[in-house]
Amino acid sequence: DADVTQTPRNRITKTGKRIMLECSQTKGHDRMYWYRQDPGLGLRLIYYSFDVKDINKGEISDGYSVSRQAQAKFSLSLESAIPNQTALYFCATSEGISGANVLTFGAGSRLTVL
Amino acid sequence: AQKITQTQPGMFVQEKEAVTLDCTYDTSDPSYGLFWYKQPSSGEMIFLIYQGSYDQQNATEGRYSLNFQKARKSANLVISASQLGDSAMYFCAMRGGNQGGKLIFGQGTELSVKP
Repeated sequence: DADVTQTPRNRITKTGKRIMLECSQTKGHDRMYWYRQDPGLGLRLIYYSFDVKDINKGEISDGYSVSRQAQAKFSLSLESAIPNQTALYFCATSEGISGANVLTFGAGSRLTVL
Repeated sequence: AQKITQTQPGMFVQEKEAVTLDCTYDTSDPSYGLFWYKQPSSGEMIFLIYQGSYDQQNATEGRYSLNFQKARKSANLVISASQLGDSAMYFCAMRGGNQGGKLIFGQGTELSVKP
């Protein structure tokens, strides 16, 4: 099994629908992140959490919410999806100790909003 | 504000040749980290190499090396002896010293290796 698992991997939905993307990890990492990838823009941070009781907005949090249900689980919700939220979404984790603190990414969730 | 810039949207290289992917950054943090990730057509993000701002030596990992020029604020990725499997999107990223694990990413460079 993958260290960081994202579900669903692909989702097509309609404008106005509520969508949840789920992320679970077996790395034992405290820190979890949600990024969004759009062509030509790289990856942009939506939300991040440094432990279970910690939630922080990233660069582009409008229209999104998150929940850290446990150390291993971090879900991203789109309360009312709109077409410009069509993107590839990545969950990532990191240890949070000093040093490189490399991010480990999930395989991505491709969301299409019609 | 922190910023990462990759000015090469696409690059071509002949198989077995070396290639340099450019990355410049801007930060006021004295302590920061620089990363390169590879994204093949399958979509996953693969960590390649890391350079800390206080590291004296340029980082190397197998065929990957990071040409770190602190005064010029550049962190170019050098891939030696390119292989067909190196064809992918490459992202440069930076973490500021007080940013925890948060990374900001450049726009990416798409590398195509020709046989």
